[in-house]
Amino acid sequence: EGQLLESGGGLVQPGGSLRLSCEASGFTFIDYAMRWVRQAPGKGLEWVSAISSSGRSTYYEDSVKGRFTISRDNSKSKVFLQMDSLRAEDTAIYYCAKGSSYDILTGYIDSWGQGTLVTVSS
Amino acid sequence: QLVLTQSSSASASLGASVKLTCNLSSGHTNYAIAWHQHQPGKGPRFLMKLNSDGSHIKGDGIPDRFSGSSSGAERYLSISSLQSEDEADYYCQTWGTSIRRVFGGGTRLTVL
Repeated sequence: EGQLLESGGGLVQPGGSLRLSCEASGFTFIDYAMRWVRQAPGKGLEWVSAISSSGRSTYYEDSVKGRFTISRDNSKSKVFLQMDSLRAEDTAIYYCAKGSSYDILTGYIDSWGQGTLVTVSS
Repeated sequence: QLVLTQSSSASASLGASVKLTCNLSSGHTNYAIAWHQHQPGKGPRFLMKLNSDGSHIKGDGIPDRFSGSSSGAERYLSISSLQSEDEADYYCQTWGTSIRRVFGGGTRLTVL
């Protein structure tokens, strides 16, 4: 199922930007869709964004549309989440997750990273 | 639209068994789900994909104590011989083109 390692989290002021990275290993990265899932303090898991194996299809949860951009570099087995115009409500642990298929909307998550904490506060 | 509903909490004694439920909304009884375990301070862990007929595919290294079953709109996760490390949040997850909220609300399992 592979291994995923996130980085890039930290403390940022409202309106600021962060870029999360996720490095994958142990599986053929180019064959699988990838996802970002977050968990805000005291809340459950929330699907934030996804990208197909080719990178041609992407998905965003409504609250992050227009502010977050997902991308991937298949040559480096990495997926990224560029987060702009950050808000206090974006404060969460962000997890990188591997899908079980190439498509963003089909297939389940079969591997998770350890997460990286994003705190949006002045 | 498919909605996944889970009880917010469950509890069982050390060494006992517990059965957690994920309810699929009306008209979606043929959907498969995935179960995930989320222990405090760790990343979530994929437990299994569970089909509507009860067949399931487990993740790597998932003990035999964890099993899944299905009945109509209900998807179950059973854990036997409960251990302290089983204390965690358990989420069901679905997928599909018309689904916007893919995770259930999660069940917090307390091992007494």
